Amino acid sequence: AQRVTQPEKLLSVFKGAPVELKCNYSYSGSPELFWYVQYSRQRLQLLLRHISRESIKGFTADLNKGETSFHLKKPFAQEEDSAMYYCALQDSGGYQKVTFGTGTKLQVIP
Amino acid sequence: NAGVTQTPKFQVLKTGQSMTLQCAQDMNHNSMYWYRQDPGMGLRLIYYSASEGTTDKGEVPNGYNVSRLNKREFSLRLESAAPSQTSVYFCASSPRGAGNQPQHFGDGTRLSIL
Repeated sequence: AQRVTQPEKLLSVFKGAPVELKCNYSYSGSPELFWYVQYSRQRLQLLLRHISRESIKGFTADLNKGETSFHLKKPFAQEEDSAMYYCALQDSGGYQKVTFGTGTKLQVIP
Repeated sequence: NAGVTQTPKFQVLKTGQSMTLQCAQDMNHNSMYWYRQDPGMGLRLIYYSASEGTTDKGEVPNGYNVSRLNKREFSLRLESAAPSQTSVYFCASSPRGAGNQPQHFGDGTRLSIL
């Protein structure tokens, strides 16, 4: 069974401080991992996906298969980063079943 | 450019009432999903549909039924609503096939069961 763990429900950081949102997963195959973000009063939207190895809004995430982790990082937090962040694992088979973590609320303090 | 559209946005029901939540997407996606979002629980998959004519149970299917009416529409039905079903419901869709295809979400339906 696939499982995603986000250990922190709330992460508070000061503006300008580094941010790391943790995500660990359990999956028997080759994982497809995503980070989604939900800003206040907005729908969930894709932030980034591991296969793209991209940086979106200054955020990056590296897949570490040895540690089964996909932590989200940003060197300098901004107030507009305050949101709910979800890590998600997608089944690589045809049905694309997705398992979400419980989410971490990031609060950036001015 | 609507994407995924959910109706209604808000609803209050009494225990035992029935209701259907509607979802439609205009992106020609094959896969569609229903989630519920509860505080401290994140998003939990209720049902999903890999393609028109197929549906499968997710993590929390009890008390719900779904219908994949056509490629565009995927409805979620509560036959006899219970207070434990008070939640925010999200519909999502994604293209099917190999590769890293993200999900596209609707705005959600906030449902309260009294």
